[in-house]
Amino acid sequence: GENVEQHPSTLSVQEGDSAVIKCTYSDSASNYFPWYKQELGKRPQLIIDIRSNVGEKKDQRIAVTLNKTAKHFSLHITETQPEDSAVYFCAASHPLVVRGGANNLFFGTGTRLTVIP
Amino acid sequence: DTGVSQDPRHKITKRGQNVTFRCDPISEHNRLYWYRQTLGQGPEFLTYFQNEAQLEKSRLLSDRFSAERPKGSFSTLEIQRTEQGDSAMYLCASSLGGTATVINNQPQHFGDGTRLSIL
Repeated sequence: GENVEQHPSTLSVQEGDSAVIKCTYSDSASNYFPWYKQELGKRPQLIIDIRSNVGEKKDQRIAVTLNKTAKHFSLHITETQPEDSAVYFCAASHPLVVRGGANNLFFGTGTRLTVIP
Repeated sequence: DTGVSQDPRHKITKRGQNVTFRCDPISEHNRLYWYRQTLGQGPEFLTYFQNEAQLEKSRLLSDRFSAERPKGSFSTLEIQRTEQGDSAMYLCASSLGGTATVINNQPQHFGDGTRLSIL
């Protein structure tokens, strides 16, 4: 099955600085890579996703880059704010090639981001 | 709120008891997933429904676990004869899904989860 590794496990940045979280995946068939933000006691919240037919996607202060050859993808948060503090999870998923097949997500182990005011 | 809802939010029970959790997905979503999350880890896939059909189960889903989605809307996850190792957050997610042979992955939206504690 798919194996997703995520680094670093913890990250502290000063408010206004950038934060980068990196993930690698093992299965070259994976083609969908979402990122989730999870605050303490809350649900994982989808913040951005990327499909393998593009190399980069941006949404305001958040961007994700994908390198299919190297099988790694990264989350970039610019101009960090205290409310960005949370645990961030990357995930990878296979394409659905059979009717009814699941596209269950394989998650990394998470990065606890702390933005220091 | 039209997001995914789960009930109860917390469940404390003694080892050996049975527990049942409920998930109500986003109404137009025909795909429903159950995940388990332990402290400091990412969610792990348990099982998946497309409409009322349970189409995939993880090896994590032992015989003590059973899930249903009888009318293709809400789903229940039951754990029988609970064990200490079952203590975790049980998350439900839903997504859109088409019926074509080749389907792109659709974003999964999660509920707040049910936190299970086994005494």
